[in-house]
Amino acid sequence: DIQMTQSPSTLSASIGDRVTITCRASQSIGDWLAWYQQKPGTAPKLLVYKSSVLESGVPSRFRGSGSGTEFTLTILSLQPDDFGTYYCQQYEGYPWTFGQGTKVEVK
Amino acid sequence: QVQMIQSGPEVKKPGASVKVSCKVSGGTLSDLSMNWVRQSPGKGLEWMGGFDPENGGSFYAQKFRGRITMTEDTSTDTAYMELRSLSSDDTATYFCSTVRAPLRGDSYFDNWGQGTLVTVSS
Repeated sequence: DIQMTQSPSTLSASIGDRVTITCRASQSIGDWLAWYQQKPGTAPKLLVYKSSVLESGVPSRFRGSGSGTEFTLTILSLQPDDFGTYYCQQYEGYPWTFGQGTKVEVK
Repeated sequence: QVQMIQSGPEVKKPGASVKVSCKVSGGTLSDLSMNWVRQSPGKGLEWMGGFDPENGGSFYAQKFRGRITMTEDTSTDTAYMELRSLSSDDTATYFCSTVRAPLRGDSYFDNWGQGTLVTVSS
């Protein structure tokens, strides 16, 4: 199975901060990577797919990048609605696997 | 806009089975590639399996094969996931979720049900 490792596990930030989350794959996955945001008690929400393509309706302050084994999700200017947990997911091969999550908290 | 509504929470004893339903509205189940993902505190998000459009049947993650069955009732646009031989490790929230376009490699989850909490306890 392809292992996905996110860092950091927890991130404390203030409104307006630039935030970067990293996701590493245990083997090359090309650009077959998605990012999700999840808030407590709700389902994950798709933000980015194919490493850098923003899902329709997602604010442009979210930026995805990377290929191969290293990927990043950047929030250019953190907003109150952005707090929650972020997950990466690879879909290069079965079984599709997720990172363990990065919780973005209020500083 | 496709929406999925799942069945309510379940409490099961070890060794029992659970069957979770996922009703589609605003779309037709046969047009979707329905999958199931679970989330537990210890293991995060896990893809369990889903509909494989290449062969027209269900495809399961290796760790669940032998005790999971996914079915679809297209007459009611409802998908089902049955998990057997439950243990405490199966305590989790189970989500139905659609994969956008698996035949062209777009195998990411674009739509989710609200989740169903399954608790396994003696």
